[in-house]
Amino acid sequence: KAGVTQTPRYLIKTRGQQVTLSCSPISGHRSVSWYQQTPGQGLQFLFEYFSETQRNKGNFPGRFSGRQFSNSRSEMNVSTLELGDSALYLCASSSSTGVGNEQYFGPGTRLTVT
Amino acid sequence: QKEVEQNSGPLSVPEGAIASLNCTYSDRVSQSFFWYRQYSGKSPELIMSIYSNGDKEDGRFTAQLNKASQYVSLLIRDSQPSDSATYLCAVNKYGGATNKLIFGTGTLLAVQP
Repeated sequence: KAGVTQTPRYLIKTRGQQVTLSCSPISGHRSVSWYQQTPGQGLQFLFEYFSETQRNKGNFPGRFSGRQFSNSRSEMNVSTLELGDSALYLCASSSSTGVGNEQYFGPGTRLTVT
Repeated sequence: QKEVEQNSGPLSVPEGAIASLNCTYSDRVSQSFFWYRQYSGKSPELIMSIYSNGDKEDGRFTAQLNKASQYVSLLIRDSQPSDSATYLCAVNKYGGATNKLIFGTGTLLAVQP
């Protein structure tokens, strides 16, 4: 079974621009979560989508948004990019929810904002 | 107080030894716990999950959970240089309502040949 895929793998953007990242979960998985990883803050939860509905959102500004499509693929968008948005953006997929439910990460998108 | 705490390391162990990685969490309602391994420049890879008190073994890895002490650990037996990585502890305190994970900052493990 193919793993989680993310595109693009690397991005360089300029302050003020916007960016869209894509995530395709493992086949059959309906939950997609997004995380931001930086050296200073570590891994932080952005949001989770399940069956096209946002189920939970982390403490990030409204410039960060996401959506999920009927085939479970998900996108996240960051508008008005700031230097501090430079990070590794990871998505993780899961088959469902429940105690002990496991999540599997994709390779990530490395975003650099200049 | 951070919700999930880990010693940042580095934890240095000789090849063949047992590496012991520890994690504490602050919220008693936390229900499930995960260990991820992350090599430099790569994404986290799931090693173990545990949600019942006690030990859970998978190959060279053993996860231990003590909910009364709010403590979870990962033991790696017969450590190999290829085990050198950052080990992330993650906690889901929301039960079945969401898959949101709260991560510790990770412990860097260095296995010396």
